[in-house]
Amino acid sequence: EVVMTQSPATLSVSPGERGTLSCKASQSVSSHLAWYQQKPGQAPRLLIYGASSRATGIPARFSGSGSGTDFTLTISSLQSEDFAVYYCQQYNNGPLTFGGGTRVEIK
Amino acid sequence: EVRLLESGGGLVRPGGSLRLSCAASGFTFNSYAMSWVRQTPGKGLEWVSGISGSGGATFYAESVKGRFTISRDNSKNTLYLQMNRLRADDTAVYHCAKDSARISGSYFDYWGLGNLVTVSS
Repeated sequence: EVVMTQSPATLSVSPGERGTLSCKASQSVSSHLAWYQQKPGQAPRLLIYGASSRATGIPARFSGSGSGTDFTLTISSLQSEDFAVYYCQQYNNGPLTFGGGTRVEIK
Repeated sequence: EVRLLESGGGLVRPGGSLRLSCAASGFTFNSYAMSWVRQTPGKGLEWVSGISGSGGATFYAESVKGRFTISRDNSKNTLYLQMNRLRADDTAVYHCAKDSARISGSYFDYWGLGNLVTVSS
């Protein structure tokens, strides 16, 4: 199966600053990569699919990039509601697999 | 508005069985594949099983193959997960998730809040 590795495990950022999250696949997943946001006590929410397409209703400050094995989620200017855990997921081959998550916390 | 509401979780002894349900609304249920994804503090998110929109194709993670059965009743807009021979490492919050396509194996555009299953003696 494709192993997804996210870094860092925790990202400390001040409100208004840029946050950059990384996701690496153990083999190429083309552009079949999604990002989700999860807040405590809530269900995961789809942010990005196809590596770079924003889901419906997702603010423009969220952007995704990359292809193959290396992907990035960028939050251009962190708002208070963006502090959460972020997961990547590949859907290119084999069983669907997720990264271990990056917790974005207030610095 | 899409809504996914899981039910049926609880405490069960090792070797026991449990059936989860997921009531769906707000979209044309039979047009989309559905999946179960479980979540634990230690292992994070793990895809468990998926089923096509028609119910004719099913898929399982190796960790649950032969023990879990996914099914759906399109007349009731409901997804199910029958879990047999449960083990301690099946303990998790089980989320119902809507696939973005008719065939399983894509990303999930909506998730349920989840239902806790605890396997313990």
